[in-house]
Amino acid sequence: DTGVSQNPRHKITKRGQNVTFRCDPISEHNRLYWYRQTLGQGPEFLTYFQNEAQLEKSRLLSDRFSAERPKGSFSTLEIQRTEQGDSAMYLCASSLVVGDEQYFGPGTRLTVT
Amino acid sequence: RKEVEQDPGPFNVPEGATVAFNCTYSNSASQSFFWYRQDCRKEPKLLMSVYSSGNEDGRFTAQLNKASQYVSLLIRDSQPSDSATYLCVVNIANSGYALNFGKGTSLLVTP
Repeated sequence: DTGVSQNPRHKITKRGQNVTFRCDPISEHNRLYWYRQTLGQGPEFLTYFQNEAQLEKSRLLSDRFSAERPKGSFSTLEIQRTEQGDSAMYLCASSLVVGDEQYFGPGTRLTVT
Repeated sequence: RKEVEQDPGPFNVPEGATVAFNCTYSNSASQSFFWYRQDCRKEPKLLMSVYSSGNEDGRFTAQLNKASQYVSLLIRDSQPSDSATYLCVVNIANSGYALNFGKGTSLLVTP
């Protein structure tokens, strides 16, 4: 399977714990995006990378969130001191060129108890 | 005001019906337009890009009216397998080409 992959698929954590998610984009795609989706809403943009450079962050990305793409390949999204409001599906997408279609991974569903 | 507005539905139609979804967007700088399909608890999947001249892919026809800032999707001869949420998506150059999604329109096609 050469699509976007994400791990883990599900994560249950207690409030206050840190969690980290991983995204592996389609191999030749240099643009990688993170989105968050809550029930009944469309996905909302969090941040994106062109190669290893993080070029934009949404105001939704509080100081507790950090994302990296150290070698321009896979990316990680870390949430520190999780809160119940962080419960959501975290989606990763990649695209080949700017403005091109984005292809999504299966997402990581986070539940904060 | 949300940047991309859609009627949430649900649209409940019988198999074989023609159904149309509409979407409006607020940012005139929007440059690319897409329809994504999302099944329950799954990731969004690209259904089709929308071009200025309109485009068709089998039973699906998408149209764009930039003057009115309006995007539409028409599904002909709808099938139960078309049941899903349809997300209208716009892509804005000056926000890093991140996708702005509508809330989605829910479609249920009954046999």
